[in-house]
Amino acid sequence: DTGVSQNPRHKITKRGQNVTFRCDPISEHNRLYWYRQTLGQGPEFLTYFQNEAQLEKSRLLSDRFSAERPKGSFSTLEIQRTEQGDSAMYLCASSFRQGQETQYFGPGTRLLVL
Amino acid sequence: QQPVQSPQAVILREGEDAVINCSSSKALYSVHWYRQKHGEAPVFLMILLKGGEQKGHEKISASFNEKKQQSSLYLTASQLSYSGTYFCGTGHNFNKFYFGSGTKLNVKP
Repeated sequence: DTGVSQNPRHKITKRGQNVTFRCDPISEHNRLYWYRQTLGQGPEFLTYFQNEAQLEKSRLLSDRFSAERPKGSFSTLEIQRTEQGDSAMYLCASSFRQGQETQYFGPGTRLLVL
Repeated sequence: QQPVQSPQAVILREGEDAVINCSSSKALYSVHWYRQKHGEAPVFLMILLKGGEQKGHEKISASFNEKKQQSSLYLTASQLSYSGTYFCGTGHNFNKFYFGSGTKLNVKP
């Protein structure tokens, strides 16, 4: 399977703990996006990478959130000191190069903060 | 900046048609349409770029009116497999992308 993959698929954690999610994009895609989706809502943009550079970061992304894409391939999203309001599906998508190209989504990581 | 979708929900019988609308308050570079089934990731349907084009994919097509900053998704002769939540995504520059809150479509036999 050469699609976007995300790990883990599910994560249950206690409030105050740190969690890290991983996204592996489609290999030739140089753009990588992170979104958060809550029940009944559309995906909310969090941040975006072109290669290893983080070019845009939503105001939704508080200081507790950090994302990296160290070698321009896979990406990690870390949430520190999790809160119950962080419970959501975290989606990763990738696209190729330039313009408003199609974003292909991974299966998501569902986070539940107790 | 989030596009507005209408209607919020639609119930159809198999074979009936539906139209889902998406409008933005800001100038659009592109409109993307996705379908998401419960518990799954959004799946790409089509992309429309500046130029007012219309695209089709089997019995699903879409139009893009750049001047009105609107797009519409047309579902004809709906099938049970069309059920899901449809999202439009709007591109306003190369870095940001916004999704609407979705239109839930339920096709019944």
